Amino acid sequence: AQKVTQAQTEISVVEKEDVTLDCVYETRDTTYYLFWYKQPPSGELVFLIRRNSFDEQNEISGRYSWNFQKSTSSFNFTITASQVVDSAVYFCALSEHQGGSEKLVFGKGTKLTVNP
Amino acid sequence: GAGVSQSPRYKVTKRGQDVALRCDPISGHVSLYWYRQALGQGPEFLTYFNYEAQQDKSGLPNDRFSAERPEGSISTLTIQRTEQRDSAMYRCASSPGTANYEQYFGPGTRLTVT
Repeated sequence: AQKVTQAQTEISVVEKEDVTLDCVYETRDTTYYLFWYKQPPSGELVFLIRRNSFDEQNEISGRYSWNFQKSTSSFNFTITASQVVDSAVYFCALSEHQGGSEKLVFGKGTKLTVNP
Repeated sequence: GAGVSQSPRYKVTKRGQDVALRCDPISGHVSLYWYRQALGQGPEFLTYFNYEAQQDKSGLPNDRFSAERPEGSISTLTIQRTEQRDSAMYRCASSPGTANYEQYFGPGTRLTVT
């Protein structure tokens, strides 16, 4: 069965620090997709990134970067030079490409607090 | 452009009443999803539509929950005979196609059953 584990429940950092949010997943499928979403205090869910299982290249978008390692079933998210606006709950999610089901399985989220 | 919209944003109902939650997806998005999010948890899948066809309803907790998308656009999630344990944030998402495209979420409907 699919499972996503975000072991860090809460992280608190001071502005300008780098921070890495961990995500470990379980799946039996060889083709799958990984996602990160941000949920700021206002409550909406904001899509950040989608990765398929065949693309292990790391991705960088501004201060955000993602490290995908199939060998350890991990898809970690790093924020460089964190800012107060980065404070949010971050969710990692997994979907499998099988049987016509497109559902996302989410982790429990990591609450990041960036203090000024 | 306009994102996913949901109505009502907040709903307070008494136990035993039926409720209908509405989702208006991004224009042109063929796939629509319903999730439920408890406080402090990630969203949990309820059901999924491809156009008007309900492709997966494995996440619906019991037969009090149903969903429809009759014309392949707007969707309604209905909960009959609500119970207190149904209280949660109900989120709708849409995506432009199948094959695991990213899903764009609406603001959610906060349901409180008293």
